[in-house]
Amino acid sequence: GENVEQHPSTLSVQEGDSAVIKCTYSDSASNYFPWYKQELGKGPQLIIDIRSNVGEKKDQRIAVTLNKTAKHFSLHITETQPEDSAVYFCAASNRGSTLGRLYFGRGTQLTVWP
Amino acid sequence: EAGVVQSPRYKIIEKKQPVAFWCNPISGHNTLYWYLQNLGQGPELLIRYENEEAVDDSQLPKDRFSAERLKGVDSTLKIQPAELGDSAVYLCASSFRTGNEQYFGPGTRLTVT
Repeated sequence: GENVEQHPSTLSVQEGDSAVIKCTYSDSASNYFPWYKQELGKGPQLIIDIRSNVGEKKDQRIAVTLNKTAKHFSLHITETQPEDSAVYFCAASNRGSTLGRLYFGRGTQLTVWP
Repeated sequence: EAGVVQSPRYKIIEKKQPVAFWCNPISGHNTLYWYLQNLGQGPELLIRYENEEAVDDSQLPKDRFSAERLKGVDSTLKIQPAELGDSAVYLCASSFRTGNEQYFGPGTRLTVT
């Protein structure tokens, strides 16, 4: 099955700075890569996703890049705010397979200091 | 539009007792997922339903875990008997169909003492 690794496990930044979280995956058949934000006591919330036919996607202050050759993808948050503090999870799946299972990384605890 | 609803939000039971979790997916979503999230880790799939059919239950420990989605809408996940190692957050998610974006509920935090 797929193996997703995520780094770093913790990340602290000053408000206004940028934050970058990186993930690698093992299965070259994976073609869908969502990112989730999980606040304390809540379920994961989908914040952005990218498909393998796209190299980069941006939505306001967040962007995701994908390098299929190297099998890695990254989340970029610019102009960070204290409310961005949460655990962020990357995931990978093969949407074309009958399973379509999401494989998650272990998460990154992002803390934004005011 | 209401999101994925789960109940209860918290449950504390003694080991060897049974426990059940309930999930109501987003209206119109045909695919329903149950995930297990251990502390400090990402969610792991337990079972996936397409309508009322369990199409991926390879990760479900069938000796003590069971699930049902009788009418293809809401679902129940049961553990009997519970063990100390079952303490975790149980998340439910839904999507319009398999392969579409998954939306998660708030989860049920289970503590087994």
